[in-house]
Amino acid sequence: GAGVSQSPSNKVTEKGKDVELRCDPISGHTALYWYRQSLGQGLEFLIYFQGNSAPDKSGLPSDRFSAERTGGSVSTLTIQRTQQEDSAVYLCASSSGTSVNEQFFGPGTRLTVL
Amino acid sequence: AQSVAQPEDQVNVAEGNPLTVKCTYSVSGNPYLFWYVQYPNRGLQFLLKYITGDNLVKGSYGFEAEFNKSQTSFHLKKPSALVSDSALYFCAVRDLRSGSARQLTFGSGTQLTVLP
Repeated sequence: GAGVSQSPSNKVTEKGKDVELRCDPISGHTALYWYRQSLGQGLEFLIYFQGNSAPDKSGLPSDRFSAERTGGSVSTLTIQRTQQEDSAVYLCASSSGTSVNEQFFGPGTRLTVL
Repeated sequence: AQSVAQPEDQVNVAEGNPLTVKCTYSVSGNPYLFWYVQYPNRGLQFLLKYITGDNLVKGSYGFEAEFNKSQTSFHLKKPSALVSDSALYFCAVRDLRSGSARQLTFGSGTQLTVLP
């Protein structure tokens, strides 16, 4: 079956512009996560959606970052007024929602802010 | 709070030799532990997990990991390394007692290179 997909795979933007990154989770997965992976770094948690519950936004680094999940499926991560330090790979993952289950990751979106 | 440490940024091993990638964790309750592998320009792939039960967990591609509660470790092992095992390996932990119970905390990753 289809895995987690993300688009675009690469995004180059200029400092100050807004960007939107998209994630299509595995069908039926109720939990969706966004992570950021900077060069040579581990994964930094950004935000978590579980069903219809309020999202856990505790990892968002600034108010320039926001995310939404429409209809419990597709999610969009928006970064406003991008800065060079936002350059990273943004990974999306989904899981069936219980804490014991592993997360399935998408291939990521590589964001480069010039 | 939950945390995980991977003390080695880089591990090199000759093909055919056993490999170990180290991971230690810190949680206030019982941990759920995971290993993921990342190949170049790819997302993370799940390898194995420890939830409860046997301390030795077997996973994909011949990998296994041993949960050691007294040493708070969850080292990844493979008896005979392949060149194709060369990749970036991440250990992750979840602590259901913490406020971030739904989140995985990842280590910084260990780059494994298997030399032919």
